[in-house]
Amino acid sequence: EVQLVESGGGLVKPGGSLRLSCAASGFIFSNAWMSWVRQAPGKGLEWVGRIKSKTDGGTTDYAAPVKGRFTISRDDSKNTLYVQMNSLKTDDTAVYYCTTGYSWGQGTLVTVSS
Amino acid sequence: DIVMTQTPLSLSVTPGQPASISCKSSQSLLHSDGKTFFYWYLQKPGQPPQLLIYEVSNRFSGVPDRFSGSGSGTAFTLRISRVEVEDVGVYYCMQTIQLPITFGQGTRLEIK
Repeated sequence: EVQLVESGGGLVKPGGSLRLSCAASGFIFSNAWMSWVRQAPGKGLEWVGRIKSKTDGGTTDYAAPVKGRFTISRDDSKNTLYVQMNSLKTDDTAVYYCTTGYSWGQGTLVTVSS
Repeated sequence: DIVMTQTPLSLSVTPGQPASISCKSSQSLLHSDGKTFFYWYLQKPGQPPQLLIYEVSNRFSGVPDRFSGSGSGTAFTLRISRVEVEDVGVYYCMQTIQLPITFGQGTRLEIK
């Protein structure tokens, strides 16, 4: 069974940093292109960015609102996806999901507030 | 960016009746390899999104056959043949042919 478990969310002040993790199991993680998608309170889904598998280059792509502030990485030896979030803004407040596109984690809440 | 426009934004359906949601994209989602990179998700209350349909018309594992997807190019439809109480939630369409990946605004389905 595919499982994706996010962690690392919490309350952070504007300008602060946070690193989210997503532990994957039940599939060959190293072959998967992985994305982060977020959902602000009461709002719709917004793609944050993705990382390709290393065999497909391991490159990353980001949505405009987070480019230059967020960095997605992966550790295939630990079956774990990460997103390092810097210079956080109040608009970054959301539940952050990791997803293969087919399967989604339960999400972790990030609140950016003073 | 490709804009995904869903209609209606909400619908109220009696159990056992059909329902239909439309999604239109601002550009064709047909790739040169013949695939169409279009998906439907359902987000039930308090849960993460779950994949219903991939590549226009393919039901994901475990999805009941009362759900069906159709369409091509820029116009797509999700149909529920007989709505059940468990189908309540917000339905999203999504495209992945071009970055950034974009979603529709969501369609909220409630039970009458």
